[in-house]
Amino acid sequence: GNSVTQMEGPVTLSEEAFLTINCTYTATGYPSLFWYVQYPGEGLQLLLKATKADDKGSNKGFEATYRKETTSFHLEKGSVQVSDSAVYFCALSVIQGAQKLVFGQGTRLTINP
Amino acid sequence: EPEVTQTPSHQVTQMGQEVILRCVPISNHLYFYWYRQILGQKVEFLVSFYNNEISEKSEIFDDQFSVERPDGSNFTLKIRSTKLEDSAMYFCASKNNRVFQETQYFGPGTRLLVL
Repeated sequence: GNSVTQMEGPVTLSEEAFLTINCTYTATGYPSLFWYVQYPGEGLQLLLKATKADDKGSNKGFEATYRKETTSFHLEKGSVQVSDSAVYFCALSVIQGAQKLVFGQGTRLTINP
Repeated sequence: EPEVTQTPSHQVTQMGQEVILRCVPISNHLYFYWYRQILGQKVEFLVSFYNNEISEKSEIFDDQFSVERPDGSNFTLKIRSTKLEDSAMYFCASKNNRVFQETQYFGPGTRLLVL
């Protein structure tokens, strides 16, 4: 079946540190890959996505590259800010059925000033 | 910017009671979803809805659950007889076409607590 595995959290970094949150997936066919972010008290917001192999999604300084050979979609940011503190979810969608999203377990990120 | 809205933001109910969670998807969207997140666990798919019928449902979505689009704007999730294990955050989402790469837009969620 389809599944997503994210690195265990929580992750705590200092401001301006480099961030990597690992995400690997298992899927039948060729999924689309997404990163969603949930800020405190809010819903899930799309952060970035990639729809085919070697695509790079980017937004707000965050990047992730769709790596088919390693079935990965790691999230990176070169210099994090306090305002990046949130829970980050990796997810995939496949063409079959209702194209539901399959989520990883989420990684809570805290950035200290 | 259009957004998905959900009401109520919080709901506390007694075990065995019926609850209705409401969502207003983005107006030109055609595909609707409910997901839930039990505290500390993954966000899980419950059901998808298109053209006034369920297009897919998970094994979680048993006979106690139902969905409805009663008036062309609201999209509701009903739990007929709540159980303690139904306590979770429930998210509604919508997207505007069948393309699987298309983004689903999520509401802020309803936190349901069953006592």
